[in-house]
Amino acid sequence: QVQLQESGPGLMKPSQTLSLTCSVSGGSISSGGYYWSWIRQHPGKGLEWIGYIYYSGSTFYNPSLRSRLSISVDTSKNQFSLKLSSVTAADTAVYYCARGFGESFDYWGPGTLVTVSS
Amino acid sequence: QSVLTQPPSVSGAPGQRVTISCTGSSSNIGAGYDVHWYQKLPGTAPKLLIYDNNNRPSGVPDRFSGSKSGTSASLAITGLQAEDEADYYCHSYDSSLSGVVFGGGTKLTVL
Repeated sequence: QVQLQESGPGLMKPSQTLSLTCSVSGGSISSGGYYWSWIRQHPGKGLEWIGYIYYSGSTFYNPSLRSRLSISVDTSKNQFSLKLSSVTAADTAVYYCARGFGESFDYWGPGTLVTVSS
Repeated sequence: QSVLTQPPSVSGAPGQRVTISCTGSSSNIGAGYDVHWYQKLPGTAPKLLIYDNNNRPSGVPDRFSGSKSGTSASLAITGLQAEDEADYYCHSYDSSLSGVVFGGGTKLTVL
């Protein structure tokens, strides 16, 4: 059974760079046919796709976040990561990592709350 | 304003059937992109309920079904149970936005 687990700072100040890591267990991140995604949910709002990466390193980003976003993969650690620069209060959200298969997301992490506040 | 439009809420009594709509446009559902549905309980991660319009992952009861027609899709839940009370989200791809899009979510209340 594939499991994903997010880890990150919890509380941040405006203008800082958010770094989140998703650790994958129960399967190899290098397995073909999958892609590794970040999705967030603002408080009381719906889901927002952030971006995803293939194990090869190919990335696809939400155009609205592209200028601040970087997603990378570390196959040796079976992890993938997100960096979002110049955060503001609008980036306060629960951040989920998920595995993409076909066009859907079949496994998700439990989510981690990131709060941006001065 | 979500690209995919869902009703904010639906409700039904135990045992009843409810449907949740997901309305898109010619750049997403209408362009032939598949629709997927997720169930989200409070404080938990979303769970894939329906993929590729009408397929259930292993372990999802057959009370849940999906359909797609034109620029819209629907999730139907029959034999409503108290445990079905959750938020439901649809998901597809949008060629104009070049990315994944979600509906705004629908809160299902079991009366």
